[in-house]
Amino acid sequence: QKEVEQNSGPLSVPEGAIASLNCTYSDRGSQSFFWYRQYSGKSPELIMSIYSNGDKEDGRFTAQLNKASQYVSLLIRDSQPSDSATYLCAVIRSSYKLIFGSGTRLLVRP
Amino acid sequence: DTAVSQTPKYLVTQMGNDKSIKCEQNLGHDTMYWYKQDSKKFLKIMFSYNNKELIINETVPNRFSPKSPDKAHLNLHINSLELGDSAVYFCASSQDLVTDTQYFGPGTRLTVL
Repeated sequence: QKEVEQNSGPLSVPEGAIASLNCTYSDRGSQSFFWYRQYSGKSPELIMSIYSNGDKEDGRFTAQLNKASQYVSLLIRDSQPSDSATYLCAVIRSSYKLIFGSGTRLLVRP
Repeated sequence: DTAVSQTPKYLVTQMGNDKSIKCEQNLGHDTMYWYKQDSKKFLKIMFSYNNKELIINETVPNRFSPKSPDKAHLNLHINSLELGDSAVYFCASSQDLVTDTQYFGPGTRLTVL
């Protein structure tokens, strides 16, 4: 079992729709959770961080964390073509390592 | 004002050579990291330094040796390069090891021929 699992996609949504990206993790001791966005040929950049159960909203982005289910999600409202990228879920394990999932490629169709 | 910078951006070399990648951060962070992203885009931690002290050392061949001359710099030296070392190497930094966001450098694309 991978430590952080994501569906590789691509997830294709029309412009203006809600994109829903999901991630599960295996280490129950994990304490910090992040979503990074990576455009092709570029470095990862932080979209959202979340540390406690529930929802956290920032503009068009909402991160959701459910520690009991070991599940993190990212919702992107009013998706734009510029949101097309690979979204990496990352988790800081109890060993203090930041472990990345393999990423979900999002395509937003104009 | 580049927060995390790496040099070189591209590195093409022959098998068996030794090469170094340099990383500098001007964010005043205490912790720096090296990651490897392979052709399948999987990003994996290699090393982490906190205040110049090695904290995380993943199962990386000992041909890879990180060196941190000060808190703002973390260099990666690779001996006897192999074809499988071809990847993009990212440097990153954060204020602390547990909760803080990591900021990534632009990456160094290493190609071993």
